[in-house]
Amino acid sequence: AQSVTQPDIHITVSEGASLELRCNYSYGATPYLFWYVQSPGQGLQLLLKYFSGDTLVQGIKGFEAEFKRSQSSFNLRKPSVHWSDAAEYFCAVGAKEYGNKLVFGAGTILRVKS
Amino acid sequence: DTGVSQNPRHKITKRGQNVTFRCDPISEHNRLYWYRQTLGQGPEFLTYFQNEAQLEKSRLLSDRFSAERPKGSFSTLEIQRTEQGDSAMYLCASSRVRGVDTQYFGPGTRLTVL
Repeated sequence: AQSVTQPDIHITVSEGASLELRCNYSYGATPYLFWYVQSPGQGLQLLLKYFSGDTLVQGIKGFEAEFKRSQSSFNLRKPSVHWSDAAEYFCAVGAKEYGNKLVFGAGTILRVKS
Repeated sequence: DTGVSQNPRHKITKRGQNVTFRCDPISEHNRLYWYRQTLGQGPEFLTYFQNEAQLEKSRLLSDRFSAERPKGSFSTLEIQRTEQGDSAMYLCASSRVRGVDTQYFGPGTRLTVL
């Protein structure tokens, strides 16, 4: 069965510090990987995606993620966090073979302290 | 590109009542997805349409749930005889049909069943 694991439920970082959010997946097909961000009571905004090619992908708001096939991981990074980055972050996996429906992790809540 | 819209944004109902939600996808998108998100969890797939055809339904979609996309444009999700366990955020997303394409999410409808 397809699954996505985000091991950290909550992460707190200081403003200006670097950030890494972890994502591991288990998938029976060639995965396509996404990171979405959700502010309280809102829908999901796409940060970045990986379909193929360069395994380091750049997204909006200064975020990047690296696909590591050998580790089944797709970790999200940002070199310097801003207070406005406080939100919940979701990793998701899809595949053409499964009708492109997304399987999401449980999310990581990011808190930024000043 | 006006984005995915959902109405209503909030719905409070009493147990046993029927409710209907509407989703208007991005205009050129052929695929439309419904997800459900409960507190502290990532979104879970419910069903999806390609044009007007409903191609897959999750086992989460009990007989009390029905979704339609009558002309391949907007979609409705109806829940009959609501239960307290139906309280959740219902998210709609749309995408093109082109391999694996990115799903863009609406703001969601928050359902509270009293």
